[in-house]
Parts: sequence; C-alpha cells; structure tokens
Amino acid sequence: GAVVSQHPSWVICKSGTSVKIECRSLDFQATTMFWYRQFPKQSLMLMATSNEGSKATYEQGVEKDKFLINHASLTLSTLTVTSAHPEDSSFYICSAPTSAGGLRETQYFGPGTRLLVL
Amino acid sequence: SQKIEQNSEALNIQEGKTATLTCNYTNYSPAYLQWYRQDPGRGPVFLLLIRENEKEKRKERLKVTFDTTLKQSLFHITASQPADSATYLCALSDTGGFKTIFGAGTRLFVKA
Repeated sequence: GAVVSQHPSWVICKSGTSVKIECRSLDFQATTMFWYRQFPKQSLMLMATSNEGSKATYEQGVEKDKFLINHASLTLSTLTVTSAHPEDSSFYICSAPTSAGGLRETQYFGPGTRLLVL
Repeated sequence: SQKIEQNSEALNIQEGKTATLTCNYTNYSPAYLQWYRQDPGRGPVFLLLIRENEKEKRKERLKVTFDTTLKQSLFHITASQPADSATYLCALSDTGGFKTIFGAGTRLFVKA
C-alpha cells in the first residue's frame, strides 16, 4: 500500500523559533497533500491543502503566515511553524490521497509529528 | 454546520465478541464514508470505504453499513481481539474527496 513518512516524529523547541516538518509520499506521487492538527481526544482538524506547484489553500482561522506550506515536488510537502508559541504545541499529521479514477478518495496518513513548544 | 458524532465514551468488550461502533452525522450529504484506525501517537490507518449508494461493505472481520436516510454508519469488528484495541475514526467526504471531515473517534478496548 501507499506509504507516507513524516520527519521529525518528535520536536521540542523554544518559543519564538521556527520548526519545519516534512511529509513525503514514498512510493507514489501526490499532487495534493493535506495537513492536519490534532489535540488530545479530539478529531483531526484540517489546516490546509497543499498543492504541488501552486499555493496552499488554508482553512478558515488558520494563519497562512504562521503555518507556511511548500509543496516542492510530487513527493514532498513541508509545513513550517513560524515563531512557534506554546499554544502551537500539538500533533501534526499529513496525508496524501490516492487518485483512483481521478477522485481523491482514500487518504494515506503519515505517522505524525509531535510538537512541544516550551 | 456539518457535524459528525461518535460515541466519546470508550467501548469495552470481551475478546471474541463483536464490537459495534456508531457514526452519526448532520448537515452533510457525503459521497462516501470511511473508517480509520488510530493508535496512540500515530497517524490514522485506512480500513474501509463505503459509497453513498452502497448499504454494506465487508473486509475480513470488518463490516460497515451506511444508511443515508438515518445519516448513520455502523462499524462492526467480529471475533474481536486485544490487538483491535485502538481509536476508530469515522470520516465523511464530498465527491472528489476535496473536503473530508473526521469524527473525534471512539476508543475500543478488547479484553482478553
């Protein structure tokens, strides 16, 4: 099956610093990737849709200048949390949909990145 | 607004029994519905997809039903095993998968 990796799996940083998270599709190409944030015992909240070769689409309430997304190639999307603050501490997960029949049906998720901002 | 409801209380069952999880939704007409498994500290893993024109789908010990009139899906795990213990997420998608919303999940504990 399709495999999506994320790096790093864990990151601890000081408040005010920037953190970059990578999402890679290992055995398939992904023109679209999704970035989610998940707080404990809550559902996945879609932050943005990353599109290869074009600007990301952000969900309402998500600051695009704070969460920078770059979809550099068909297998790599990066999320940079700029000037991170403790309230940005969360579990960040990316996913890449399959493209069966032109539809983006099933999503294959990365293992997630736990961010702790001190 | 669109809403997905999954039982927030954990479901505890004995090994060998059938686990049944419920997903209800409102203000949405999904093209298809999916169930995912999520283990602690890990990303979700896809299990099953069922389309709006399908009533039931099976895969090994898993069965999903989809009632668009009731706006409800039931997820069954037969002959449950302790290894089935995890959180199970329900997700609804529009046509083309451009917008998928997830439920908060139901935690399942299977006791040996």
